[in-house]
Amino acid sequence: GQSLEQPSEVTAVEGAIVQINCTYQTSGFYGLSWYQQHDGGAPTFLSYNALDGLEETGRFSSFLSRSDSYGYLLLQELQMKDSASYFCAVSGNTPLVFGKGTRLSVIA
Amino acid sequence: GAVVSQHPSRVICKSGTSVKIECRSLDFQATTMFWYRQFPKQSLMLMATSNEGSKATYEQGVEKDKFLINHASLTLSTLTVTSAHPEDSSFYICSARGRNMYNSPLHFGNGTRLTVT
Repeated sequence: GQSLEQPSEVTAVEGAIVQINCTYQTSGFYGLSWYQQHDGGAPTFLSYNALDGLEETGRFSSFLSRSDSYGYLLLQELQMKDSASYFCAVSGNTPLVFGKGTRLSVIA
Repeated sequence: GAVVSQHPSRVICKSGTSVKIECRSLDFQATTMFWYRQFPKQSLMLMATSNEGSKATYEQGVEKDKFLINHASLTLSTLTVTSAHPEDSSFYICSARGRNMYNSPLHFGNGTRLTVT
């Protein structure tokens, strides 16, 4: 089966940097995705890592270590609008499976 | 690319009625569509996977006679919640994948918030 672990809540100050970790167990791993979801909205795709290393997209970066079954999402220069839930998700031999989500609260 | 459209965005219905939700792929042919459900403050849970022209595969615990899925074309899948009850109130979200896209990230529709009164 597949399972993912990520922290349930994180609080950070505006302008700071925050890292949200994700560990996973899966069979037939293809890649690790990250999604952002604001209250009442649908998940929005942020990043995807199929290979080890760091992928950078503006203020957001995502890292993957396949040997450690571990990845993280890094958010820099935090803004109030970044307050949302962040989900990691693995692609494997079964359809996309989501972690339980990390609720990020950005405070002034 | 990989734009997915979902309709309606919000629906309120009375208990016992049926509701149909549409999911369309706008710029690619969706050989596979996925239907997820999300209860408040919880994660997305996969309900079923549908492949064009064949019967949907339902996840354990999801009643196939209650949640009817039709994937009759390469751009459209529908989810019909039959005889809806208040406990079916949830956020329903679809996503789609095209041929040779199995190693690509999934993109989602905007979701349908169903409220059953």
